[in-house]
Amino acid sequence: DTAVSQTPKYLVTQMGNDKSIKCEQNLGHDTMYWYKQDSKKFLKIMFSYNNKELIINETVPNRFSPKSPDKAHLNLHINSLELGDSAVYFCASSRGQGSQPQHFGDGTRLSIL
Amino acid sequence: AQTVTQSQPEMSVQEAETVTLSCTYDTSESDYYLFWYKQPPSRQMILVIRQEAYKQQNATENRFSVNFQKAAKSFSLKISDSQLGDAAMYFCAYRKAWTGGATNKLIFGTGTLLAVQP
Repeated sequence: DTAVSQTPKYLVTQMGNDKSIKCEQNLGHDTMYWYKQDSKKFLKIMFSYNNKELIINETVPNRFSPKSPDKAHLNLHINSLELGDSAVYFCASSRGQGSQPQHFGDGTRLSIL
Repeated sequence: AQTVTQSQPEMSVQEAETVTLSCTYDTSESDYYLFWYKQPPSRQMILVIRQEAYKQQNATENRFSVNFQKAAKSFSLKISDSQLGDAAMYFCAYRKAWTGGATNKLIFGTGTLLAVQP
């Protein structure tokens, strides 16, 4: 009964490749997010979608392109991967934009060789 | 811009003892929410407790409680009767109350790594 699920959990690839991370939530939430956790464990918002509409884009390089086909899914596609993209990427979701907490997926560890 | 500061990179506590993790934040807003998340070695991000800024009463969840001092912009987490399973990275987070527009992002502190000694 996973609430927020991300695939894959681990992704090892070479510099210059293109990869995607998928996220699905079965909580009925209407807002979804992508966060990046760097090697020092610092977490920072990348994108947020509400009802399939992009509402937050935190100066992320345009090699990163989120796509939300419906309210339950928010995928992240990354072109021309660079060494600095190595991190753990977390998907999260929440109901609305008020006080409801965000529920996180288990993260995807991306390693660039 | 809002910021969240956790000044203790690492803390240690004996099993069954009490420990307090510090968090301060900077904001000019009057309405916002504060959260503590736990990240064990398994990498999951688990919500521990949350506090609405308009509530004066401190939130509690079983062995976890907060000391929310709005004027001082302080939001510390107290863990009572510490257990081995409490060992994790703890993140303090802030979110501005939604008044329209893109305000629902969480702003995280840098985390405190808590070790629990048997």
